[in-house]
Amino acid sequence: SQQGEEDPQALSIQEGENATMNCSYKTSINNLQWYRQNSGRGLVHLILIRSNEREKHSGRLRVTLDTSKKSSSLLITASRAADTASYFCATEPQGGSEKLVFGKGTKLTVNP
Amino acid sequence: ETGVTQSPTHLIKTRGQQVTLRCSSQSGHNTVSWYQQALGQGPQFIFQYYREEENGRGNFPPRFSGLQFPNYSSELNVNALELDDSALYLCASSSEWRGGWETQYFGPGTRLLVL
Repeated sequence: SQQGEEDPQALSIQEGENATMNCSYKTSINNLQWYRQNSGRGLVHLILIRSNEREKHSGRLRVTLDTSKKSSSLLITASRAADTASYFCATEPQGGSEKLVFGKGTKLTVNP
Repeated sequence: ETGVTQSPTHLIKTRGQQVTLRCSSQSGHNTVSWYQQALGQGPQFIFQYYREEENGRGNFPPRFSGLQFPNYSSELNVNALELDDSALYLCASSSEWRGGWETQYFGPGTRLLVL
């Protein structure tokens, strides 16, 4: 089952601009994670935010989590062409047997 | 590079056949999870192994089975292959699962095509 829904499905921006991706989910969670995937290969872990946290930063990444709205956002600042990839949010549901539940992803294209 | 390796990288099978995919976890990790990613979709959780025992399973039929070995490497076996099994199969390793705080490190995947 896919719990998360990323929005938008696709995003195209110019180098230097900021990119914002949103994720909504359905059930209570232990944590939410963002992953990046290049060209349908392995996923790279970007950042993990726990259910009791509201905001987290890592380099050019900023993640927010609103558990009351069951939503999260990923902001990439000062984007680069190398940021072109698909970005997925993944949640760990509380009490569920599924360890990570992924959304369908946002395909980000950063034009040089 | 995460240190998680998978073999083979690509595989072509026909309907009804059986396939075994392999994963070597990152050093120090005792948990392996398997995911199926269809084209244009996010990964879907198949199952997880922790210290050689199955520790959670997603909504996949019993013809998807797995093993974890004493060195924490793992196999995913799929019997009676169907066309819809065509996908990228990803394994991820992590250190001991503690309420979800541990990051999973993904391998590059095995792309399976069923004809």
